[in-house]
Amino acid sequence: KAGVTQTPRYLIKTRGQQVTLSCSPISGHRSVSWYQQTPGQGLQFLFEYFSETQRNKGNFPGRFSGRQFSNSRSEMNVSTLELGDSALYLCASSPGTGASYNEQFFGPGTRLTVL
Amino acid sequence: AQSVAQPEDQVNVAEGNPLTVKCTYSVSGNPYLFWYVQYPNRGLQFLLKYITGDNLVKGSYGFEAEFNKSQTSFHLKKPSALVSDSALYFCAVRDIAGSARQLTFGSGTQLTVLP
Repeated sequence: KAGVTQTPRYLIKTRGQQVTLSCSPISGHRSVSWYQQTPGQGLQFLFEYFSETQRNKGNFPGRFSGRQFSNSRSEMNVSTLELGDSALYLCASSPGTGASYNEQFFGPGTRLTVL
Repeated sequence: AQSVAQPEDQVNVAEGNPLTVKCTYSVSGNPYLFWYVQYPNRGLQFLLKYITGDNLVKGSYGFEAEFNKSQTSFHLKKPSALVSDSALYFCAVRDIAGSARQLTFGSGTQLTVLP
């Protein structure tokens, strides 16, 4: 099976712009979670989507949003970018149900730089 | 609430020596516990997990971890370190009984294996 893919791998934006990141989960996985990784804050949970519905949400401002499509692919959007949004954004997929739910498989990440 | 602590930011060990990366957790109920490894410019790779049963869990690349409920710890170990084990290691927890379904990660421990 192909792994989790994320596009693009690298992005450079300026403050005030918006950005959309994409994640394709492992085939058959219905849950997609997003994390922000920074040197100062570590790995922080953004949100999780399951069957096109947001199932969990972390403590991030409303500028961070996401969605999931019927094929389980997910997008994350950040509006009005701030310098502090510079980070590695990781997507993780899992089957989403049963005991195997808890094992997440991560993509390589999208490195976002805000200038 | 669930939380994870990795008390050491950096662990150095000589090649061939045993290694230990420490992790303690806090949950209100029983935990699911995980270890992930991250190489530079890569996403997280799953190493092993504890769900229930035997307290000693064996995982990928010769790693193992010991669940200790009384000490609320889940330390990662390997009998003989390799230079290629040098990477960033994350411990993660989920409370089985909690309403939060996402994983909570520790701050990470940078392991350096010296030749």
